[in-house]
Amino acid sequence: DGGITQSPKYLFRKEGQNVTLSCEQNLNHDAMYWYRQDPGQGLRLIYYSQIVNDFQKGDIAEGYSVSREKKESFPLTVTSAQKNPTAFYLCASSPLHPGQTLVGQPQHFGDGTRLSIL
Amino acid sequence: RKEVEQDPGPFNVPEGATVAFNCTYSNSASQSFFWYRQDCRKEPKLLMSVYSSGNEDGRFTAQLNRASQYISLLIRDSKLSDSATYLCVVISDRGSTLGRLYFGRGTQLTVWP
Repeated sequence: DGGITQSPKYLFRKEGQNVTLSCEQNLNHDAMYWYRQDPGQGLRLIYYSQIVNDFQKGDIAEGYSVSREKKESFPLTVTSAQKNPTAFYLCASSPLHPGQTLVGQPQHFGDGTRLSIL
Repeated sequence: RKEVEQDPGPFNVPEGATVAFNCTYSNSASQSFFWYRQDCRKEPKLLMSVYSSGNEDGRFTAQLNRASQYISLLIRDSKLSDSATYLCVVISDRGSTLGRLYFGRGTQLTVWP
C-alpha cells in the first residue's frame, strides 16, 4: 500500500545531542513537509521541499535541518540548538502539478514521531 | 493576526445531536479549504474538502462563505466515533508556486452516550 512512513514512533534526546527523524513516502509525491505540533496547538511548518535537492524554511526552522537527496525521503534533524524539542513531529506529502501556480491538493500525513528530552 | 482561527471548544454533545464548528481565515486570496480530523495522539486525516457551493458527505456538511471569510462543518446525528479534534485547513498562495497550508488549532468534540 502507498503511504508515508515515519520512524521512530518515539524518540528521546539527550541534552546537546542531534537526532534525526525519518520520513519516507512511496506515493510518488513531489512535495514533502515537516510540521511540529505542541499540545493544544495547531501544526506549525518547519521545512518543506518541492523538489529533490531543494527545500525552504517554514515558520519555525531555527534549530532544525533537512535534506532531500531522494524524492522518497525527507529526513529532519533536530539539532542541539533547538532548546524546546519536545513535541509531536508530523511529516506530510502532496503531489505537485506542473503548470499550476497554486496547489490545492490536501496533504497526506505519516503517523508521527513523539520526541522527548531525557 | 493568525491565518486561521478556530474555537478550540471543547464541544460535548450527546449521541444523535447536531453540532457545528466555524473557522475564520485572514487571507482573502485563500484558494482551498479542508477539514481534517485528528484522533488523540494520531496524525491528522483528511475529512473533506470544502467547495464554494458547499458540499455534503453523509452526515457531514461543509460550507464556505468567502465574503465573511469563514468555513463551517456541520455534523448531524453525532456518533461516539465522531469524538476527535477537527482541524480547519486553508491553502494560501503567498507568491510562491507552492500553496502553503495553514492549520487552525483544532476544535475538540466529545460525543457521549
